[in-house]
Amino acid sequence: NAGVMQNPRHLVRRRGQEARLRCSPMKGHSHVYWYRQLPEEGLKFMVYLQKENIIDESGMPKERFSAEFPKEGPSILRIQQVVRGDSAAYFCASSPRPGGPDNEQFFGPGTRLTVL
Amino acid sequence: SQQGEEDPQALSIQEGENATMNCSYKTSINNLQWYRQNSGRGLVHLILIRSNEREKHSGRLRVTLDTSKKSSSLLITASRAADTASYFCATVPNTGTASKLTFGTGTRLQVTL
Repeated sequence: NAGVMQNPRHLVRRRGQEARLRCSPMKGHSHVYWYRQLPEEGLKFMVYLQKENIIDESGMPKERFSAEFPKEGPSILRIQQVVRGDSAAYFCASSPRPGGPDNEQFFGPGTRLTVL
Repeated sequence: SQQGEEDPQALSIQEGENATMNCSYKTSINNLQWYRQNSGRGLVHLILIRSNEREKHSGRLRVTLDTSKKSSSLLITASRAADTASYFCATVPNTGTASKLTFGTGTRLQVTL
């Protein structure tokens, strides 16, 4: 059973370009979370999605950032018109059950975004 | 200020010694979890302690939780070089999105031979 997969592992973009980060949850998991980690800091929650639904996007910047988790295919975190401050590691996690507080979240290896 | 802060920020010990890391948080929680992150990697779940529990063990790990002080500690006994990593506490709130993890700033542990 493959773990959470993220690609690409490293992404370099120039200011103003778009970044697309993909996350395939573990088999059987239908709940996906995205977190951002700035250098030397802890992870910050961005968004929680179920298939075709955004459940909680309270951590998403109001502009340029969007996320989706379609019925088929991976979850996508999209950052439009990237700026240098978007440089960070973006982690995806998945869990099998709806919103339970005891849910262990299984993390992917992350995508390291560098904006030049 | 930030929810979830660990101290110390960095800890260097020799193999065989015990390592203790502390975590403080601010809001009412359902549970608290500890994760390990090796350099440049994703997070690995270590242990979860519920708000009605005071202590939990898993192998060489011992976690305590004091909800009156809103603090937790992680003890790694008989440390090994392979324990070198960053350790994060994360809390799950009692309200709102139950699965939303709020992470601390982490403790970087270095275990030397």
